[in-house]
Amino acid sequence: GDSVTQTEGLVTLTEGLPVMLNCTYQSTYSPFLFWYVQHLNEAPKLLLKSFTDNKRPEHQGFHATLHKSSSSFHLQKSSAQLSDSALYYCALSDRCNQGKLIFGQGTKLSIKP
Amino acid sequence: EAAVTQSPRSKVAVTGGKVTLSCHQTNNHDYMYWYRQDTGHGLRLIHYSYVADSTEKGDIPDGYKASRPSQENFSLILELASLSQTAVYFCASSGTKSSGNTLYFGEGSRLIVV
Repeated sequence: GDSVTQTEGLVTLTEGLPVMLNCTYQSTYSPFLFWYVQHLNEAPKLLLKSFTDNKRPEHQGFHATLHKSSSSFHLQKSSAQLSDSALYYCALSDRCNQGKLIFGQGTKLSIKP
Repeated sequence: EAAVTQSPRSKVAVTGGKVTLSCHQTNNHDYMYWYRQDTGHGLRLIHYSYVADSTEKGDIPDGYKASRPSQENFSLILELASLSQTAVYFCASSGTKSSGNTLYFGEGSRLIVV
């Protein structure tokens, strides 16, 4: 079945350094990929999602590139901010069953001054 | 902004007791979902629904029932609560299938089973 893998449970960085959170997936069909962010004591919310025309999505300084050859959708940011500290989820929806979203295990990003 | 509200926000239940978590959305969305969140497991889908009076099993449906009496409301029912069901539960809604599937989450319901 479809699955999403986030290998890092916790990533700790110093403010100003680049961020990269890993996400790989397995899917029978070509899926949509998403990144959701959850700040402490808040609900998860959409950060960005892949486009059908392979444009690179960007939001709040974050971007992600869908690489079908390696089944990856890594999240990147050039310079981390303290406010980026949160739990990040990668997720996919199957284009044939778009009503169902499958999430990875989540990566906690902690930014230190 | 989409609105999804959950109740109760927090509950302590006794093992073997019945628990009902309620969710209400005002987005006119077709799809509604129940996920549970556990450290190390992320968000796992319990049940979902794409139309009133119909529900579908997600990835971890055992021990849970769901009810969708109307487009706006979706409940999660634990008939016999167990210690392993201690978790945070999130309800979410989404619109039609076009352009992928953006979920709008409620604030979560923290359930502790003792």
